[in-house]
Amino acid sequence: QDTLRESGPALVKPTQTLTLTCTFSGFSLTSSGVSVSWIRLPPGKALEWLARIDWDDEKFYSTSLKTRATISKDTSKNQVLLTMTNMDPVDTGTYYCARMSVTSYPPKAFDVWGQGTVVTVSS
Amino acid sequence: EIVLTQSPGTLSLSPGERATLSCRASQRVTSDYLAWYQHKPGQAPRLLIYGASRRATGIPDRFSGSGSGTDFSLTIGRLEPEDSAVYYCQQYRHSPWTFGQGTKVEIK
Repeated sequence: QDTLRESGPALVKPTQTLTLTCTFSGFSLTSSGVSVSWIRLPPGKALEWLARIDWDDEKFYSTSLKTRATISKDTSKNQVLLTMTNMDPVDTGTYYCARMSVTSYPPKAFDVWGQGTVVTVSS
Repeated sequence: EIVLTQSPGTLSLSPGERATLSCRASQRVTSDYLAWYQHKPGQAPRLLIYGASRRATGIPDRFSGSGSGTDFSLTIGRLEPEDSAVYYCQQYRHSPWTFGQGTKVEIK
């Protein structure tokens, strides 16, 4: 069974750097066509796609986060990391990681999600 | 960036009724890269539909998707109490990938 699990600090102060970890199992991020994304849900708002890393280490970012976010992977640990600098209270929300595979056509979108981790940005 | 606009914002219906949710894109979206998700509080979002009209594994056939170009829809054929949730459309062809703002479905 393919699973993902998010972990990281529940509380960060404004201007601090946040690092979240997505630990996955049941699939490999070295397999062609596989990617892992980070998505967040601010309270009372909509899902927002943040960043994606592909099996070949190509990386993509949302327009709003492009200068503050870095996504990386550690394939030996089956982990994807998201680092966000200069955190602000508007970054408060639930952060999810999710898997997409384009090995079938059409691609099955985000077919496996983690349960999410809540991050609060407050002094 | 492709903006997805969902309507209505909230849909309040009785069990057994039919729900039709709309997702309109600011520019053409390849149908094969349009998905719908169901999200309940405290849970992970759940993939319902991918490729505009293909049901994901284990999704009941009362959920169906259709559309092309800039107009897509999700239909829930006969609402059940457990269908109470927020539903999102998403395009995953053009980076940055984007979600709609969601439609909340309430069961009376």
